[in-house]
Amino acid sequence: AQKITQTQPGMFVQEKEAVTLDCTYDTSDQSYGLFWYKQPSSGEMIFLIYQGSYDEQNATEGRYSLNFQKARKSANLVISASQLGDSAMYFCAMREPYNFNKFYFGSGTKLNVKP
Amino acid sequence: EAQVTQNPRYLITVTGKKLTVTCSQNMNHEYMSWYRQDPGLGLRQIYYSMNVEVTDKGDVPEGYKVSRKEKRNFPLILESPSPNQTSLYFCASSLSAGETQYFGPGTRLLVL
Repeated sequence: AQKITQTQPGMFVQEKEAVTLDCTYDTSDQSYGLFWYKQPSSGEMIFLIYQGSYDEQNATEGRYSLNFQKARKSANLVISASQLGDSAMYFCAMREPYNFNKFYFGSGTKLNVKP
Repeated sequence: EAQVTQNPRYLITVTGKKLTVTCSQNMNHEYMSWYRQDPGLGLRQIYYSMNVEVTDKGDVPEGYKVSRKEKRNFPLILESPSPNQTSLYFCASSLSAGETQYFGPGTRLLVL
């Protein structure tokens, strides 16, 4: 069963604008963790941000923030003031509830930032 | 420099010829994991290891083997590779299970 869904295969955003990348997840458990990773064209996977299911505040890391809506089971990544270097593939991932060893990734969203 | 290294970075092989992809981390991490990345499917977990001599299957373990004899190393073994194992492989590690994982640079494998 699909645990993580990213419905936007590709997106464009104008430089300096904000963009939201969607991520929904599927679990009936209360304890889980959500991650976002960036994969530039060079191929490496770069950790961006983490949100725990019990965290009361939305996570933020510099220009990245996570719009966590627990009731909707969504964990959207918001990038403010997009830069050309933000052009990359972005993956949402979930840590399995109660088995911290297992992780599920979405299919990714390719973001293109236009000058 | 704290890092996860993988070798080789690129590999072309033929069906049935055993191969090993090495993974090493210098951060004294307990947890290590292997993933494969395929277009449209994202990353899928192959195997993981919680500590030395402790490994378990991920979502797509068929056709792969792993071992964890030392804390820093976690090799991925394909005993009889097939074309459907053509993929981009990532090794990752974290301080302990469930924490943020740090990824190696990836190994691109082509099985003919």
